Amino acid sequence: GESVGLHLPTLSVQEGDNSIINCAYSNSASDYFIWYKQESGKGPQFIIDIRSNMDKRQGQRVTVLLNKTVKHLSLQIAATQPGDSAVYFCAETYQGGKLIFGQGTELSVKP
Amino acid sequence: DAGVIQSPRHEVTEMGQEVTLRCKPISGHNSLFWYRQTMMRGLELLIYFNNNVPIDDSGMPEDRFSAKMPNASFSTLKIQPSEPRDSAVYFCASGTGYQPQHFGDGTRLSIL
Repeated sequence: GESVGLHLPTLSVQEGDNSIINCAYSNSASDYFIWYKQESGKGPQFIIDIRSNMDKRQGQRVTVLLNKTVKHLSLQIAATQPGDSAVYFCAETYQGGKLIFGQGTELSVKP
Repeated sequence: DAGVIQSPRHEVTEMGQEVTLRCKPISGHNSLFWYRQTMMRGLELLIYFNNNVPIDDSGMPEDRFSAKMPNASFSTLKIQPSEPRDSAVYFCASGTGYQPQHFGDGTRLSIL
């Protein structure tokens, strides 16, 4: 029979546009959050992180926003490129313990 | 700067066989994590070690799974006996404190 798997949310953007990937986290006590990018056949790769005492952090072409009131995390990618196509995961942790991963969002960049 | 190294990259074996996955963490990292990734369940933490001591093995599916970390530079995840439902990609990651975990490229395991 046909197997049923996770249906990842998909975001499709045009090359050069900005992308916003959203994530709802589960534990209001979580104090450290990480965004990972996973390309096909590879392990998750660290992109950017943020601690709970901050609400915004910027990297190169990426920005993470944290809204603790509604337990929401977002990743913004500026000037999205074809090489940004991947699955993006948010992860949360409390006091440096185990990471809890979200289900992931698939980003597809159209040239 | 070597990242997390996993071996083998691919493993195909028949059900009932013993499978051993290996991981070399990044030097200096004191935490090591084993994850399993499937389409059905996404990325799941199986077990993690801190300073070579198992801290949380609540994600280990059953007694057929075992993990060891005999020293700071090596860990194994063993499945005995293996079953087709164990087919997945198994990742090892290492980290330290409030630093992001770094992942290996995984072992793709197929149990026939």
